[in-house]
Amino acid sequence: AQKITQTQPGMFVQEKEAVTLDCTYDTSDPSYGLFWYKQPSSGEMIFLIYQGSYDQQNATEGRYSLNFQKARKSANLVISASQLGDSAMYFCAMREQGKAAGNKLTFGGGTRVLVKP
Amino acid sequence: KAGVTQTPRYLIKTRGQQVTLSCSPISGHRSVSWYQQTPGQGLQFLFEYFSETQRNKGNFPGRFSGRQFSNSRSEMNVSTLELGDSALYLCASSPGGGVYNEQFFGPGTRLTVL
Repeated sequence: AQKITQTQPGMFVQEKEAVTLDCTYDTSDPSYGLFWYKQPSSGEMIFLIYQGSYDQQNATEGRYSLNFQKARKSANLVISASQLGDSAMYFCAMREQGKAAGNKLTFGGGTRVLVKP
Repeated sequence: KAGVTQTPRYLIKTRGQQVTLSCSPISGHRSVSWYQQTPGQGLQFLFEYFSETQRNKGNFPGRFSGRQFSNSRSEMNVSTLELGDSALYLCASSPGGGVYNEQFFGPGTRLTVL
């Protein structure tokens, strides 16, 4: 079974508008972390935002916010005021805190975002 | 503070050859993880090394191996290359223990197998 699902393979967004990228996850580990990364065409993975399973509040980092709904097992990324430089692939990832997990990240399939001027 | 570096950035090999990729983590980081990214399979975890010990391993054949040195630099080796090994190989470094570990990724090594 897929542990991380990103159902939107690609989407267009108008510059200066907000966009929501969907991510659902599956784990039986009570302690886990959820990450979002941005990957431009250059290939490097850029960390955007993190949410811990025990965090009471939704994480925010500048124009990025994470809409965490634990009961629904979803961790959607919201990018406000989109910029042309936001055009990239976006990956949702999960790190489970179980004994053997170490620092292993499990990634979703990604969503390609193209910002239109 | 210098970021994660990976060498070489690009590599072309032929089937049957072997290849070694290198990753230098951020100074002070003890954990290095390796990932393979392909269009078909996406991003997949290869293995993680922490303080010179393999801590976790993904579902890859034994042709994929790695090691970590005392200075935390890590290498991964792929023997008997196959066409399907063509991929972007990313390494990520992390401080190590703790509930929250942000992983910092390097620019990747793009391997092409002909």
